[in-house]
Amino acid sequence: KQEVTQIPAALSVPEGENLVLNCSFTDSAIYNLQWFRQDPGKGLTSLLLIQSSQREQTSGRLNASLDKSSGRSTLYIAASQPGDSATYLCAVCGTGTASKLTFGTGTRLQVTL
Amino acid sequence: SQTIHQWPATLVQPVGSPLSLECTVEGTSNPNLYWYRQAAGRGLQLLFYSVGIGQISSEVPQNLSASRPQDRQFILSSKKLLLSDSGFYLCAWSPGGGQPQHFGDGTRLSIL
Repeated sequence: KQEVTQIPAALSVPEGENLVLNCSFTDSAIYNLQWFRQDPGKGLTSLLLIQSSQREQTSGRLNASLDKSSGRSTLYIAASQPGDSATYLCAVCGTGTASKLTFGTGTRLQVTL
Repeated sequence: SQTIHQWPATLVQPVGSPLSLECTVEGTSNPNLYWYRQAAGRGLQLLFYSVGIGQISSEVPQNLSASRPQDRQFILSSKKLLLSDSGFYLCAWSPGGGQPQHFGDGTRLSIL
C-alpha cells in the first residue's frame, strides 16, 4: 500500500527566503506526482505535475523535482512571499487506469513580513 | 474551459439524517470523477471514484455511497449520518490516464 510522507509538517519563514518542502513515498511504481496548494477552508489548486519519466518541472518561482527510484520529491519555492502562505500537499498517482491519488498530510507554510 | 461545481459549500446536519452532496463538471466528456474526505488533522482520503456512468469503486468501507447518474454528475450520499462523517468533502475530476486532477471548492460537513 502506497504511503506518502511530508516533512516538515509546518514551516515559518521570513519573506524573501528560499525554501524546500519534502515528500517521500514508499512504492516507486508511480505514474506521476502532483503538488497542490490548499488555502484554509478551500479546495486544492494544482501547482505542478511531474510525470514518472521526468526529473523536474518549473512554474514561475516554483520548481519540483522527482527521484522516483529513491521515492522522493521536493518543492522549491524561491523568494517566498506572504501570499505563498498555505498548506502544500504532495500526491502520487498509481499506475492503474483510474488515476487514483495518494496524498501526504501536507506542510503548512507561513511566510511572515 | 473546464469547470467543476460542488454544493453546498457548508452543511450542518443532525446525526441520523440523510445526506446528498452534488458535484458537476462542465466543458469535458467522460471524465474520471472522485470523492475525497479531509478529516480534521488528517490527510485527504479517497472515498470513491468513477471512470464512467454507473461505474463506482469504493476505496474504504463506510457509511457513505456514491452514484454517477449522468456523465458529468457525481453524487455522494448517506441514509443515516454518523458523527464520524464530519469533515471537508472534495470532488475532483481528471481527463483520465494519469492526467492532473482538478478539485472543487469543497463542502464543509458538520454533524451535530
